[in-house]
Amino acid sequence: EVQLVESGGGLVEPGRSLRLSCTGSGFTFGAQSISWFRQAPGKGLEWVGYIASKIYVETEQYVASVKGRFSFSRDDSEGIAYLQMNNLKTEDTGVYYCARNVWQPDSWGQGTLVTVSS
Amino acid sequence: DVVMTQSPLSLPVTLGQPASISCRSSQTLVYSDGNTYLNWFQQRPGQSPRRLIYQVSNRDSGVPDRFSGSGSGTDFTLTISRVEAEDVGVYYCMQGTHWPGTFGQGTKVEIK
Repeated sequence: EVQLVESGGGLVEPGRSLRLSCTGSGFTFGAQSISWFRQAPGKGLEWVGYIASKIYVETEQYVASVKGRFSFSRDDSEGIAYLQMNNLKTEDTGVYYCARNVWQPDSWGQGTLVTVSS
Repeated sequence: DVVMTQSPLSLPVTLGQPASISCRSSQTLVYSDGNTYLNWFQQRPGQSPRRLIYQVSNRDSGVPDRFSGSGSGTDFTLTISRVEAEDVGVYYCMQGTHWPGTFGQGTKVEIK
C-alpha cells in the first residue's frame, strides 16, 4: 500500500525556520516526484511546489509566494522528502501535505500543521 | 496563472439524487503531449484530499462508479449519479497542465 506521512509541523514565530519531512513507503520512492501543497485554515488548496525524481532530471519548482524562502530536498535511500521553510510569515500558516506525482498527484499524506505566530 | 472557476460553491443534495459540479479554466488544459491534466479531488471533513478522477474522466482505483468526470478544453464536470451520505465534503478540480498547478475554490456538498 502506498503511504506518505508528513511530520515536523508546529508553532513557530515569524521570521524563524522549520523543516518538514515526508516519508514514503509502498512504492519506489526514488522513481517518483514529490509535490507539496498547503491549506490555510478554512481555505482551499494551494500548490507549494515539487521536487522531481533524480531518475529524470533534478528539478525543483516553487510557487512565487515561497520562492527564495522555501527549498526542497530528498533522501531516496531513506525514502524521505524535505521541505525547508525559512523566514516564515503568518500567511504560511496551514496544513502542509506531500503527495506523489506532479501533474496528477495521486496519494496524499495526512498533513502536518504549521502555525506561524508570535 | 490559470484560474479554475467552480460552480456552485455550495451544493445541498438529497440522498439518492444526482449532483454535478462545473469547473472552467481560463486557458485550455490540453498539454503538448495531447493529454488533459484535469483532476478531481474529494476532501471529507477532517481528512486529506483524495483523488477521484485524473485526466478528465479516469476514475481512480476504489472510487465508486457513481462518480464520473467529463469535459474537454476549458469546461469540465464531475457528476455523482446518486449521492450517498459518505459523499459529504468539499470537491476540488485541479489542473496540472500549466505551471503552477491551480485548484478551483472548492464545492461543498452537503445533504439536505
